[in-house]
Amino acid sequence: GAGVSQSPSNKVTEKGKDVELRCDPISGHTALYWYRQRLGQGLEFLIYFQGNSAPDKSGLPSDRFSAERTGESVSTLTIQRTQQEDSAVYLCATGRGVGTSGGGEQFFGPGTRLTVL
Amino acid sequence: EDQVTQSPEALRLQEGESSSLNCSYTVSGLRGLFWYRQDPGKGPEFLFTLYSAGEEKEKERLKATLTKKESFLHITAPKPEDSATYLCAVQATRGKLIFGQGTTLQVKP
Repeated sequence: GAGVSQSPSNKVTEKGKDVELRCDPISGHTALYWYRQRLGQGLEFLIYFQGNSAPDKSGLPSDRFSAERTGESVSTLTIQRTQQEDSAVYLCATGRGVGTSGGGEQFFGPGTRLTVL
Repeated sequence: EDQVTQSPEALRLQEGESSSLNCSYTVSGLRGLFWYRQDPGKGPEFLFTLYSAGEEKEKERLKATLTKKESFLHITAPKPEDSATYLCAVQATRGKLIFGQGTTLQVKP
């Protein structure tokens, strides 16, 4: 596809349930990022994948959050035992990776709006 | 600690009234400063990357400038369609971007 896609676009779940969010990157983009954006707030970094390197997990807020990426393809962000404070828009971005021409630029998907009741 | 602060939080302009948005930053080892535009319900859209003090970039009515401590996004003769939230971010270590809280711009016809 032409851009980053995310699914689902909206997810409503009950407190305590697990959710899985998906990100399909732009073809050829080796870098993939997950961010969280609470209502009226800026973006909060969660995790970063770059090729075969160990991911940078420094932004994950708790051990309930995890993410995986298959090679340079799809990524999934999993939130276990969801809490109401997890309600936010989860944004995925991809790029060519730091150190490449224009590699710092990140291209964002439309986000998944998660509501935890 | 790496930090990005944007001001003002909100800005209302009349169509054609030029102004500037500010992004102040503290970061160890700046690898790039980025400006994004975000429309309601959408992901941020990339506008500019600036890498070194003194650098300037332009796109239509927008011009971004960079000093060692801050960046400005100048909007010349804005139109209602320029209404959006403008986000500034810096890249320090690896690929992680640190975002400011954004400036919400409203341009009235």
